[in-house]
Amino acid sequence: NAGVTQTPKFRILKIGQSMTLQCTQDMNHNYMYWYRQDPGMGLKLIYYSVGAGITDKGEVPNGYNVSRSTTEDFPLRLELAAPSQTSVYFCASSYRGGLNNEQFFGPGTRLTVL
Amino acid sequence: AQRVTQPEKLLSVFKGAPVELKCNYSYSGSPELFWYVQYSRQRLQLLLRHISRESIKGFTADLNKGETSFHLKKPFAQEEDSAMYYCALSRAGNMLTFGGGTRLMVKP
Repeated sequence: NAGVTQTPKFRILKIGQSMTLQCTQDMNHNYMYWYRQDPGMGLKLIYYSVGAGITDKGEVPNGYNVSRSTTEDFPLRLELAAPSQTSVYFCASSYRGGLNNEQFFGPGTRLTVL
Repeated sequence: AQRVTQPEKLLSVFKGAPVELKCNYSYSGSPELFWYVQYSRQRLQLLLRHISRESIKGFTADLNKGETSFHLKKPFAQEEDSAMYYCALSRAGNMLTFGGGTRLMVKP
């Protein structure tokens, strides 16, 4: 199993451009998450999904959109990129949403907005 | 609001020395706490969870509700323990709140 995969690994955007960060998992997990990590900081939850067709906001959703049309995929859309969105983005998944379920992380996407 | 604080950004010890990575939290409910680790060029992965009361790679962590702490300890550090360590608190829906992380460097 590849686990959680993310594309691209790196991307540079100009202010105002848009892009989609891709995330796919092959573990048949119901729950998926998007986090961002700013330099020297911990991860912050952007959006999460408890199953196909269901998404909800996390701590820092502004400027982002998500969709979950399949169990495997959970893309993150950035509209009108801003320098404040320069960060490393991590996708994660877990089998269930119980409090003690391990989250499995992707390798991350490093995004720079200039 | 829930918060996780890791007061040390960097902790440097010699091989064989004891290690304690500090984690303090604030949460109004009953906390579920984890330690995640990221080794160089690897993904973030679960190290241990408090509910399991387990020892992984020689590391243990005890939840102290009175002091609202979940410090990670190992009696004898090894060079392969060098990594970024994140304390995390789980809340409804399995959403994690992470601390800022501590970089552990174990010198030979």
